[in-house]
Amino acid sequence: SQKIEQNSEALNIQEGKTATLTCNYTNYSPAYLQWYRQDPGRGPVFLLLIRENEKEKRKERLKVTFDTTLKQSLFHITASQPADSATYLCAFRDQSGGYNKLIFGAGTRLAVHP
Amino acid sequence: GAVVSQHPSWVICKSGTSVKIECRSLDFQATTMFWYRQFPKQSLMLMATSNEGSKATYEQGVEKDKFLINHASLTLSTLTVTSAHPEDSSFYICSARGRESYNEQFFGPGTRLTVL
Repeated sequence: SQKIEQNSEALNIQEGKTATLTCNYTNYSPAYLQWYRQDPGRGPVFLLLIRENEKEKRKERLKVTFDTTLKQSLFHITASQPADSATYLCAFRDQSGGYNKLIFGAGTRLAVHP
Repeated sequence: GAVVSQHPSWVICKSGTSVKIECRSLDFQATTMFWYRQFPKQSLMLMATSNEGSKATYEQGVEKDKFLINHASLTLSTLTVTSAHPEDSSFYICSARGRESYNEQFFGPGTRLTVL
């Protein structure tokens, strides 16, 4: 079955540094990947979508890459701020078997320290 | 962006009782709604998908008689946890997709259910 993996350990970084989060997937070739932010006790909020034919996507301080050979997406936050502290989820859409549903990773918790 | 609301935001109930959670799309018509469950520090697990006016499609391992889903209108879906037990305690999140947003889903704020 399809599997999506994110580093389960929390990532602690200093304010101003670049945070890099990793998302790996197996047994599937998604047409695109999505990244979400989730704060404690809240639902996910959509951040970015990157398609398989796009190497890189940027939005303000966020950058996402998508390597279909490595089956990996990297999510970068540059000039990180304490307000960026949250759990970041990657997801891909499974459109096999007539379904259209998002498969989520478990998320990586990011803590940005002042 | 589109807004999805859930009510209640949290609920505590006694074992054996039933609990209903509402999910509403506030500014768009949700042709498809999804219900997820999330345990602490774990991924969102899809429970079921419902299209307006149709019966919900449940994921493997999810009991449809225990988790009743109704999607009677284009702006409202409900999840009823019947005869709730402590192991049903979890964070339930709904998500909605409109007719024009085939690839984009909007998530509600979630409902924390605690069964005593």
